[in-house]
Amino acid sequence: DTEVTQTPKHLVMGMTNKKSLKCEQHMGHRAMYWYKQKAKKPPELMFVYSYEKLSINESVPSRFSPECPNSSLLNLHLHALQPEDSALYLCASSSPGTDTQYFGPGTRLTVL
Amino acid sequence: DQQVKQNSPSLSVQEGRISILNCDYTNSMFDYFLWYKKYPAEGPTFLISISSIKDKNEDGRFTVFLNKSAKHLSLHIVPSQPGDSAVYFCAASAGASKLTFGTGTRLQVTL
Repeated sequence: DTEVTQTPKHLVMGMTNKKSLKCEQHMGHRAMYWYKQKAKKPPELMFVYSYEKLSINESVPSRFSPECPNSSLLNLHLHALQPEDSALYLCASSSPGTDTQYFGPGTRLTVL
Repeated sequence: DQQVKQNSPSLSVQEGRISILNCDYTNSMFDYFLWYKKYPAEGPTFLISISSIKDKNEDGRFTVFLNKSAKHLSLHIVPSQPGDSAVYFCAASAGASKLTFGTGTRLQVTL
């Protein structure tokens, strides 16, 4: 089973809203990732969690706040976003010591 | 600085023929390479990978070739099928849990 699930599938929010994206995997992976993908562009890494600790933050604005409550779950809290933050947000996971990442289906976010 | 490049934004191949997708990289520290397939509005699906200690890896219809001296890898799909129509991304890793993606090649397999 190489499934990573993400909810919601679509999200529309205003610039003053607070919302959260959720990601879950049950493959026993101990590294989890958030990526942002704009149309016709490659995925861009935002955050990496390794063993539930934040290990990489790619200089992401503080209006994006990641959280890893346990080894299976990864959240991305959103607050005061801008319209240019509209994108497909992808979650991925990988086993310790491997570089093969498995991606979820993504959340299509639209900021009005 | 684009460290992983896919110079062909699109490719059209007839069903049953071979599809060859190319990828070039500049960072000599990359030691692991992957290919992902992506349908619109879906997440990338892992296809095949290769370590820098190998020059070829095969999985069914998919074969990845690595030429380290040229810093070039390619994905061969044979025979190509209509369901292979998607955007293909190559990605590279130098460890530290970071993948660097190419810009993608849109493959269209025609009947």
